Amino acid sequence: DMKVTQMPRYLIKRMGENVLLECGQDMSHETMYWYRQDPGLGLQLIYISYDVDSNSEGDIPKGYRVSRKKREHFSLILDSAKTNQTSVYFCASRRDSSGNTLYFGEGSRLIVV
Amino acid sequence: TQTVSQSDAHVTVFEGDSVELRCNYSYGGSIYLSWYIQHHGHGLQFLLKYYSGNPVVQGVNGFEAEFSKSDSSFHLRKASVHWSDSAVYFCAVSASSNNRIFFGDGTQLVVKP
Repeated sequence: DMKVTQMPRYLIKRMGENVLLECGQDMSHETMYWYRQDPGLGLQLIYISYDVDSNSEGDIPKGYRVSRKKREHFSLILDSAKTNQTSVYFCASRRDSSGNTLYFGEGSRLIVV
Repeated sequence: TQTVSQSDAHVTVFEGDSVELRCNYSYGGSIYLSWYIQHHGHGLQFLLKYYSGNPVVQGVNGFEAEFSKSDSSFHLRKASVHWSDSAVYFCAVSASSNNRIFFGDGTQLVVKP
């Protein structure tokens, strides 16, 4: 069953707190992504991971870091959350022989107050 | 760098109507083009893609898209829409040589009964 699972789905944090968003996939895909989605801004790429411990910054990496210690698991970390990081975060994985066919999770809605 | 432009932010049609959602891209090399659908509160789901061959590609649920190199376009069409087609549609482009995938800002399709 091809699935990308994100946890938690909803999260409220205070400014300055740490945030951990987790993503898992059961397809052994090498490449995984973290995007954020804000109204009027579409999808913005935060980080790409090409495999375990092989990560690359996307377009808006500031304020975020990632961890990929197992192929099936890719985490997004906010070490000191800011109110402008309130957003919906999407994880995706890619079947590498498929061009740009991405499998997305259901999203994690983060509110920073 | 690839760019993707979806000229219509909102499209409203009636059930049974045909619809075309427009996508234009800019890139000179070999690319993958895709369309994704996002229902409210969910992640994106792959609809269809084009890389080479027949410029008209078929997707799920009666959707098709046509690639035009001369117009740098990849418009999505459906002959007869259903209320359940109401969603946001994203066009995406990526170069065949790398893992970066660029999304348009999305088109909100509303299908009225």
